[in-house]
Amino acid sequence: DTAVSQTPKYLVTQMGNDKSIKCEQNLGHDTMYWYKQDSKKFLKIMFSYNNKELIINETVPNRFSPKSPDKAHLNLHINSLELGDSAVYFCASSQQVLGGGSQPQHFGDGTRLSIL
Amino acid sequence: AQTVTQSQPEMSVQEAETVTLSCTYDTSESDYYLFWYKQPPSRQMILVIRQEAYKQQNATENRFSVNFQKAAKSFSLKISDSQLGDAAMYFCAYTETSGSRLTFGEGTQLTVNP
Repeated sequence: DTAVSQTPKYLVTQMGNDKSIKCEQNLGHDTMYWYKQDSKKFLKIMFSYNNKELIINETVPNRFSPKSPDKAHLNLHINSLELGDSAVYFCASSQQVLGGGSQPQHFGDGTRLSIL
Repeated sequence: AQTVTQSQPEMSVQEAETVTLSCTYDTSESDYYLFWYKQPPSRQMILVIRQEAYKQQNATENRFSVNFQKAAKSFSLKISDSQLGDAAMYFCAYTETSGSRLTFGEGTQLTVNP
């Protein structure tokens, strides 16, 4: 019954590898997000998709590429992993409201990515 | 750009006592939303409370309430009758009415002492 699920929960890999994190939501929301939480616990938006369309693309290296095959899924692919990519990555979703405003964002449990 | 500031990196409270966590923000918008999220050691991000800027009444959820001062751009969280399970990192967050992104503060680590 998990609302926003991310896989894997933990990812340990070597520098230079390519990896993907998957995210799925069963809430029927139309907007999904990726956030990065660094070692100091600071959370920052990376990407946002609304109905499979990219609407936010923060200053993120182009080694990071989000993909949304449908509005219930938003995956994050990372090429040529670097030490600085070590962080917790959170997926979230929300429902936009006609006329402005949105319901609160629901978060997945996060994926801890560790680069050796 | 909008910014959110939490000036208390750490706070502690005795079980059953009351504690207030501070948050200030900066925006040129007149309508927006503010949130408090809780992140326990399990790493989950849990919504605690939500405030809409156009509503003057302070939001309340059981033991959690906010003091929303729009003119001062202040949004503090009060936790009454603190419980051990309240121990967590608390994040203040802001979003515009378009709701396209959350801007987070740096977080406040709350310890609850038995």
